[in-house]
Amino acid sequence: EDKVVQSPLSLVVHEGDTVTLNCSYEVTNFRSLLWYKQEKKAPTFLFMLTSSGIEKKSGRLSSILDKKELFSILNITATQTGDSAIYLCAPSGGETSGSRLTFGEGTQLTVNP
Amino acid sequence: GAVVSQHPSRVICKSGTSVKIECRSLDFQATTMFWYRQFPKKSLMLMATSNEGSKATYEQGVEKDKFLINHASLTLSTLTVTSAHPEDSSFYICSARRTLNTEAFFGQGTRLTVV
Repeated sequence: EDKVVQSPLSLVVHEGDTVTLNCSYEVTNFRSLLWYKQEKKAPTFLFMLTSSGIEKKSGRLSSILDKKELFSILNITATQTGDSAIYLCAPSGGETSGSRLTFGEGTQLTVNP
Repeated sequence: GAVVSQHPSRVICKSGTSVKIECRSLDFQATTMFWYRQFPKKSLMLMATSNEGSKATYEQGVEKDKFLINHASLTLSTLTVTSAHPEDSSFYICSARRTLNTEAFFGQGTRLTVV
């Protein structure tokens, strides 16, 4: 059975802090790992990682994948109150076509002013 | 990013009736669409994976006769909640991917309330 574990489940920081969010996974026929940010309704896409060791960056956010150790991290530097959200990771894989996209429980990040 | 439109955004129905939710990819062709259910303060629970032209693959514990999924074209998938009960009240959200090697884009979700 596929597993996705995110940690911490909840995190409260002050503006300007740097945070690291973790995602470990066990997925059959792993293809890629996706990170999303969910504020109110629909999750918005952040990163898709397919190769180990290659960091992807977008502004203050960055992410990297380790396919050997089966985990990924999402870093946010100089956090702002607008970063408050649930961050979700989703490995893509699955027994049949490899198209299954399952989500972890998410990390609830709260950034206080 | 690409646009996925989900309709309706909110629906209230009586117990025993059926409700259809549509998910459309507006500016791309989606080979795969996903249907999720989300409980308050919980993550997205995958209900089924739908590939165009073939039957949906349901997750363990999801009743395929209750949650009917049709992926009739590369731009449209529908979820029909049949004989709805109050316990089916939830937030349902779809997503769509062009291919297995691209990101998935989400619809805005449907808040279903069964009274």
